[in-house]
Amino acid sequence: QKEVEQNSGPLSVPEGAIASLNCTYSDRVSQSFFWYRQYSGKSPELIMSIYSNGDKEDGRFTAQLNKASQYVSLLIRDSQPSDSATYLCAVSAILYNNNDMRFGAGTRLTVKP
Amino acid sequence: GAVVSQHPSRVICKSGTSVKIECRSLDFQATTMFWYRQFPKQSLMLMATSNEGSKATYEQGVEKDKFLINHASLTLSTLTVTSAHPEDSSFYICSAPRPTWGGYTFGSGTRLTVV
Repeated sequence: QKEVEQNSGPLSVPEGAIASLNCTYSDRVSQSFFWYRQYSGKSPELIMSIYSNGDKEDGRFTAQLNKASQYVSLLIRDSQPSDSATYLCAVSAILYNNNDMRFGAGTRLTVKP
Repeated sequence: GAVVSQHPSRVICKSGTSVKIECRSLDFQATTMFWYRQFPKQSLMLMATSNEGSKATYEQGVEKDKFLINHASLTLSTLTVTSAHPEDSSFYICSAPRPTWGGYTFGSGTRLTVV
């Protein structure tokens, strides 16, 4: 079983819709969770981090964490064509320690005009 | 803040030659640098972890003699692809832990093409 699993997609949503990206992880002691966006041919950029159960909102993005079920999700409201990218989920077992992060394979999102 | 500058962004080299890729942390000290390789439409693959002042740790299956990593200072880590072959053509990306908690910051990547 992979440590961090994501549906590879592609996930296709129409412009203006909500895109929902999911990620599950296997290490129960995971403490820190991140979402990265990677445009084609570019390197990943951090868009959200979450450490506590519940929701965390930042603009059109909402990260949701459920440690009991070992999943973290990213919702993108009012999806735009510019949101089309691969979204990487990353998990770290130790809070505030950045040296052990594990990445999922990524979900490719396409937002159609 | 927490910027990693990676150069070159794109390089084409002949088979059998060596290529050096540099990653510099511009506004923080990076005691650790991670090096990834990514083939088209595939996920990031961690190649090695470099630590300032010590030998790099390579992932299983990565040839340490082919991918030479040097982390001689707190702001510079380099990856040298030695005796490059067409199958080494890939997108190479470095990243460093942010100085405060909050994930990694990535370099802009190097597109290597070996002809």
